[in-house]
Order: sequence, then structure tokens, then C-alpha cells
Amino acid sequence: AQSVTQLGSHVSVSEGALVLLRCNYSSSVPPYLFWYVQYPNQGLQLLLKYTTGATLVKGINGFEAEFKKSETSFHLTKPSAHMSDAAEYFCAVTKGRTYKYIFGTGTRLKVLA
Amino acid sequence: DVKVTQSSRYLVKRTGEKVFLECVQDMDHENMFWYRQDPGLGLRLIYFSYDVKMKEKGDIPEGYSVSREKKERFSLILESASTNQTSMYLCASNRAGERNNEQFFGPGTRLTVL
Repeated sequence: AQSVTQLGSHVSVSEGALVLLRCNYSSSVPPYLFWYVQYPNQGLQLLLKYTTGATLVKGINGFEAEFKKSETSFHLTKPSAHMSDAAEYFCAVTKGRTYKYIFGTGTRLKVLA
Repeated sequence: DVKVTQSSRYLVKRTGEKVFLECVQDMDHENMFWYRQDPGLGLRLIYFSYDVKMKEKGDIPEGYSVSREKKERFSLILESASTNQTSMYLCASNRAGERNNEQFFGPGTRLTVL
């Protein structure tokens, strides 16, 4: 069965500091993995996705994530946080060989001035 | 600019009322989804539709039904609203063919059932 675990429901970083949001998954088939961001009062927007090939994936707004099969992880990073990065971030994995996603419970990122 | 729109941003209903949430996409996508978002629980799939008049139950279908009469429109129906259905409801769509196709989300409808 597929599942997604996001460690830390709330993360605070200082402006300019490294952002690290953790995501671990389980999947019985080769997974497709996604990170979405949700700004206040908005729907979700795709940041990046891993399908096959290069394990380091670059996304929008300076974010990137590395797929590590041995660790079943897909952590999201950004070298330098900006105030505009404050939002909720969701990791997701495809459910088996279907079109459905399984979402993590989300991590709310706070950026401190 | 691709778009998924939802009929209401905020909705307040009474217990026992029948509630319709509408979603329209302009991208000619085959797949459409209804999710419920609750704090600490993330997004949970209520129903999925892969074609007109075709639907599959998601993880939490109880108390909900759906309708897809046209490709661009996917409706979520609460037959008899209850207070435990107070939540944020998100609609999404994507193209069929590849499992990794991005889902595009609407802005959400925050439903309060009194």
C-alpha cells in the first residue's frame, strides 16, 4: 500500500536560512512523487515532481528535491528562505498504477524576519 | 491560462440541507477529483471521475455523491449535510494517459454546516 509521511507539521526558519521539509513514502510500485504548495486562501500549485531519470529535481521558486530510493525519501529544500515562501507544503505519491494521489498531512512553513 | 473554478469560495448551510458544489475546468481534462482538506489530515480523496458519467469512490465517499454530465463539469453533492462535513473542499483535474500528469487545483470552497 502507498503512504506518505511528512515529518513536522510546522517548520520555522529565518529569512535567508536553508529550508528543509521532509517527506518519506512507501510504494509497492515505482512511485511518482510530487510537492505542492498552498498559499493562504488558494488552491494547490505544483512545485516539482519526480517521475524517472535524474533523482535531483528542480522546481519553481528555487525549490528542489532529491529522490532517494534507499531511504524512501523525497525531501524538499531551498538554499535561502524568502518571506514569500510562507505557505503550506504537501508531498504526494501516486497510488499504485492509478491516477490517484495520496497526500501527506502537510507542513506549514513560517519564515521569520 | 489554465483554470479550475469552483462555484463558491464560502458556503454556509444548515444540517440536513442538500448541498451542491460545482467545479468547472477549461483544459479539456479527462480526469477530475474532489478532495476534502482538514487541518492535520491533509487532502483526502472523496471521488474521482475519469470520463463523463464515470466515477470511482475515493477514500472517504460516505455521505457524498458526484455527478459528471459534461466533460468540463464535476459536481459534489451532500445529500443531507451534517456538521462533520464542515471542511474545505478542493476540486482538481488532470489529463489522462500518464500517472505523473500534474493535477490542477481550484481555489477551494470552505463549507460550514450549522
